[in-house]
Amino acid sequence: DVKVTQSSRYLVKRTGEKVFLECVQDMDHENMFWYRQDPGLGLRLIYFSYDVKMKEKGDIPEGYSVSREKKERFSLILESASTNQTSMYLCASSLGGATDGEQYFGPGTRLTVT
Amino acid sequence: KNQVEQSPQSLIILEGKNCTLQCNYTVSPFSNLRWYKQDTGRGPVSLTIMTFSENTKSNGRYTATLDADTKQSSLHITASQLSDSASYICVVSDQVSSSASKIIFGSGTRLSIRP
Repeated sequence: DVKVTQSSRYLVKRTGEKVFLECVQDMDHENMFWYRQDPGLGLRLIYFSYDVKMKEKGDIPEGYSVSREKKERFSLILESASTNQTSMYLCASSLGGATDGEQYFGPGTRLTVT
Repeated sequence: KNQVEQSPQSLIILEGKNCTLQCNYTVSPFSNLRWYKQDTGRGPVSLTIMTFSENTKSNGRYTATLDADTKQSSLHITASQLSDSASYICVVSDQVSSSASKIIFGSGTRLSIRP
């Protein structure tokens, strides 16, 4: 069974803290994605990785960075958390090749920055 | 600008009734359209996918339609069940490419089924 897991379901951090969100997939997928989901805005792509150590900026990369050292793991880093980064963060993976294949999502991490 | 708009934003219906959710898009050129279901506190799960040449696709009680000329899609749910309570998200890809930014998500329709 396909599985994407995220390190935390809920996270509370203070302004200025460095935050790490971890995502692991067990499907040997080449593509991995980080999105944030806010009410009324839909999912917005932060970063995308199509291979180990490869990354591509999405629509809203400012304030975020990513790391993909192993195929199964994709990390999202908030260098200095701010209150406007309070959101639901969703990780997804899909098979290689075209990026419009079916994406398999993790359960999400609800991050609150105070 | 490529956009995907869904209506209504929210919908409440009684258990056993049918409903139809709408998705209009301006994405061009078009590659495919997916409908995802997102239960509260969970990530989205794919229900159907349709390419340009497909008009209808069914998955159990879910039937999606696509009119590529008018750039409209609908998701019809038959004989609704309490477990259908969720957000339904329309996702359109503009082409097969290496850029994931070509995948556009609608903001979703929040469906509530009442007993």
